[in-house]
Amino acid sequence: SQTIHQWPATLVQPVGSPLSLECTVEGTSNPNLYWYRQAAGRGLQLLFYSVGIGQISSEVPQNLSASRPQDRQFILSSKKLLLSDSGFYLCAWTTTGREEYGYTFGSGTRLTVV
Amino acid sequence: GNSVTQMEGPVTLSEEAFLTINCTYTATGYPSLFWYVQYPGEGLQLLLKATKADDKGSNKGFEATYRKETTSFHLEKGSVQVSDSAVYFCALVNQAGTALIFGKGTTLSVSS
Repeated sequence: SQTIHQWPATLVQPVGSPLSLECTVEGTSNPNLYWYRQAAGRGLQLLFYSVGIGQISSEVPQNLSASRPQDRQFILSSKKLLLSDSGFYLCAWTTTGREEYGYTFGSGTRLTVV
Repeated sequence: GNSVTQMEGPVTLSEEAFLTINCTYTATGYPSLFWYVQYPGEGLQLLLKATKADDKGSNKGFEATYRKETTSFHLEKGSVQVSDSAVYFCALVNQAGTALIFGKGTTLSVSS
C-alpha cells in the first residue's frame, strides 16, 4: 500500500535561518507531488507541485523553493525564514492521470518562526 | 477561474443533531468534488468524493451529492457525534489536474 511521510512534525526556527522539510512517498512510482501551506485562521494554499523529477511549478511567488531530487522525494526549502512563513505545511501526492480521485496528504509539519 | 465557497462557521451542534455544511463551486467543465476532514493537530483525510454530476459520495455517515444545476456539493450527516468535531474542507480538482482547490474550511464543534 502507498504511504506518505513528512518530517519533522514540529519545528521552531529563528527568523533568518534556513529551512528544509522533507516528504517521501512509498508504494507508488511517478506520483504527482504537492506542497500546501495552511496559515493560522486561513485555508489551504498550494505552494508547489511537481509532475516528475526536477520538474517544479510554483503557484505563489514567495520566500520558499521546492526540489524533487528523486521520484518519490519532495523537499521544501528556504534560505532565510520570515515570520510570515509560520504555518502548517502539508505534502500530498496523487497518481498521475488519476487526479480526479483525490490527493493523499501527509501528517504535516507545524513551523513556527520566532 | 476555479473557486470553492463554503460556509465558514464555526458550526456548533449538540450530539445527534443534523448537520449541513454548504459548499458551492465555480469551475470550467465538471470537476471532481471532495470533502476533506482535518482533526485537531493532524493532516487532511479524504472523507468522500464525487466524480460526476448526480454522484453521491458517502462515508462514515456523511453524504454529499454533486449538483450540477446549482454547482453545489453540500455535506450532510443525520446524527453527529462528539468525535466528528473537526474542520471540514470542500475542494475541487482543476481541469488540468494540477491542483486541488480548497474552500476556507468550516469548523464543526459537537458537544455532548
